[in-house]
Amino acid sequence: EDQVTQSPEALRLQEGESSSLNCSYTVSGLRGLFWYRQDPGKGPEFLFTLYSAGEEKEKERLKATLTKKESFLHITAPKPEDSATYLCAVGDGGTSYGKLTFGQGTILTVHP
Amino acid sequence: NAGVTQTPKFRVLKTGQSMTLLCAQDMNHEYMYWYRQDPGMGLRLIHYSVGEGTTAKGEVPDGYNVSRLKKQNFLLGLESAAPSQTSVYFCASTPLGGDLYGYTFGSGTRLTVV
Repeated sequence: EDQVTQSPEALRLQEGESSSLNCSYTVSGLRGLFWYRQDPGKGPEFLFTLYSAGEEKEKERLKATLTKKESFLHITAPKPEDSATYLCAVGDGGTSYGKLTFGQGTILTVHP
Repeated sequence: NAGVTQTPKFRVLKTGQSMTLLCAQDMNHEYMYWYRQDPGMGLRLIHYSVGEGTTAKGEVPDGYNVSRLKKQNFLLGLESAAPSQTSVYFCASTPLGGDLYGYTFGSGTRLTVV
């Protein structure tokens, strides 16, 4: 059974203080790893897809990386508007319906 | 382009009442999903559909029914609401396998059962 563990559960940063969020996963065969951002009262919003170890994707202050066992979401010089819950999910191709297994999320708070 | 639209956004039900949550997508996606999100439990799959006229059970299907009569719509029904069904419900869609393309989510329905 696929497992996704995100750490830390919550992270508080000062504006400009760079840090990383971790997503550790166990799957039989990774088909895709996904990062989502979720603002309070809203649905998850797609950020990145990573398909193979060594792959990296960037968007503004965010950079996602992937190894065979984990993914990191690096946040460089964060701003208060980066405050949100960040969700990680994996797909393993083991179902006929494209199941994603989600982690519990990391709640990021960036103080001005 | 609206993406995935869920209605209603909020609802309060009394125990035993029934209701239907509507999900509509305008992206011509084949696959659609219903999830519930609860504190400490993450996102859990209730039911899914891989095409018009097809539905199947996910991880937590008890107490829910679904229908997909039209490709663009996926309905989630609660026949007799229970307090344990208090949650935030999300609909998602994907063109083919979500494990390769990821999901597009709706904005959610916050349901309270009293």
